Amino acid sequence: GDSVTQMEGPVTLSEEAFLTINCTYTATGYPSLFWYVQYPGEGLQLLLKATKADDKGSNKGFEATYRKETTSFHLEKGSVQVSDSAVYFCALSDPTSYGKLTFGQGTILTVHP
Amino acid sequence: NAGVTQTPKFRVLKTGQSMTLLCAQDMNHEYMYWYRQDPGMGLRLIHYSVGEGTTAKGEVPDGYNVSRLKKQNFLLGLESAAPSQTSVYFCASRPTTDTQYFGPGTRLTVL
Repeated sequence: GDSVTQMEGPVTLSEEAFLTINCTYTATGYPSLFWYVQYPGEGLQLLLKATKADDKGSNKGFEATYRKETTSFHLEKGSVQVSDSAVYFCALSDPTSYGKLTFGQGTILTVHP
Repeated sequence: NAGVTQTPKFRVLKTGQSMTLLCAQDMNHEYMYWYRQDPGMGLRLIHYSVGEGTTAKGEVPDGYNVSRLKKQNFLLGLESAAPSQTSVYFCASRPTTDTQYFGPGTRLTVL
């Protein structure tokens, strides 16, 4: 079945550092790919998405590119802020599966001033 | 719009007790989902519904039942709670073609 693997966490960075969170996936069809963010004590919010190969999703300075050849959707940000501290989830959705999401295990990001 | 709301926010049960978690959405979405979140495991799908009166099993359905009698509500029931059901439960809804919108979660502890 479908699966998503994220890099092991937690990740600790200083403010203004460069961020990469790796995400790879296994899927039988042509999934849509997502990054969700969960701030402390809150539910999940969509951060960005990409629906086909070579699409780039972007939001709030975060970017991720749908790479079919490497089955990856790595999250990047050029300069992180303390307010970016959260848990980040990579997920996929098979368009034939009623929008059901398959999640990675989540990566905890802590940014220090 | 309130979006997706969940009731209650916190609950503590004893083993063997029953309870119902309520999810409500005011966006007229067709699809609704229940997930559980456990440390190091991401979110896993329990049950989902593609419309009023329909439900289907997800990845981890055992020990749970659901009902979707009204389009805006999706109920998750635990008939006989077990410690393994201690988790954070998230509800989500989605139009037929778009991303999912999540509620704030319910933290359940089973002693």
